[in-house]
Amino acid sequence: SQELEQSPQSLIVQEGKNLTINCTSSKTLYGLYWYKQKYGEGLIFLMMLQKGGEEKSHEKITAKLDEKKQQSSLHITASQPSHAGIYLCGADLHGSGNTGKLIFGQGTTLQVKP
Amino acid sequence: NAGVTQTPKFQVLKTGQSMTLQCAQDMNHEYMSWYRQDPGMGLRLIHYSVGAGITDQGEVPNGYNVSRSTTEDFPLRLLSAAPSQTSVYFCASRRDRSLQETQYFGPGTRLLVL
Repeated sequence: SQELEQSPQSLIVQEGKNLTINCTSSKTLYGLYWYKQKYGEGLIFLMMLQKGGEEKSHEKITAKLDEKKQQSSLHITASQPSHAGIYLCGADLHGSGNTGKLIFGQGTTLQVKP
Repeated sequence: NAGVTQTPKFQVLKTGQSMTLQCAQDMNHEYMSWYRQDPGMGLRLIHYSVGAGITDQGEVPNGYNVSRSTTEDFPLRLLSAAPSQTSVYFCASRRDRSLQETQYFGPGTRLLVL
């Protein structure tokens, strides 16, 4: 079973539409990272959230970490074909900071139709 | 800075063969890790290192060995390749184990085991 669950697993939207991807855990999320991966390429860092209630934005992408730190959402406004790819969330579920291990969700594949 | 580099980009092995996937970073990062990516599974942590001379197991360590003799390099060894090890392998690094640091990924190595 996956300790970090992402939903949906895949998403097809029309260009210009808004969309949200969720990352959920039954445990507290520490150091929540969002990455984007283009097909066949490496991972590009998007944003990192640490505090409950924290929200960060970059261009048309906004990420939030809920107050209980058990769910994060990634929202894209007015999607463009350049947003297409695989979005992955990664987090430390133990919070000890002693190992710094990051566990990742299974990814959400986004297609944006022109 | 070249960032995180990985070689080779592609590799085909026969069952039972051994090989080493190379990973290097030029950012003087203490923390390095190896992940494998399989369809529908996201990224799974294989091994990680919090500094030179220190390594530990991740979620899926069986069949893989690592060593960290220098800060810059973190090779991943497959002693006897199996078809189940067909995957895309990513190396990552960040300044230290702190979850406040951005984690950078290499471009990946695609491995096919026949």
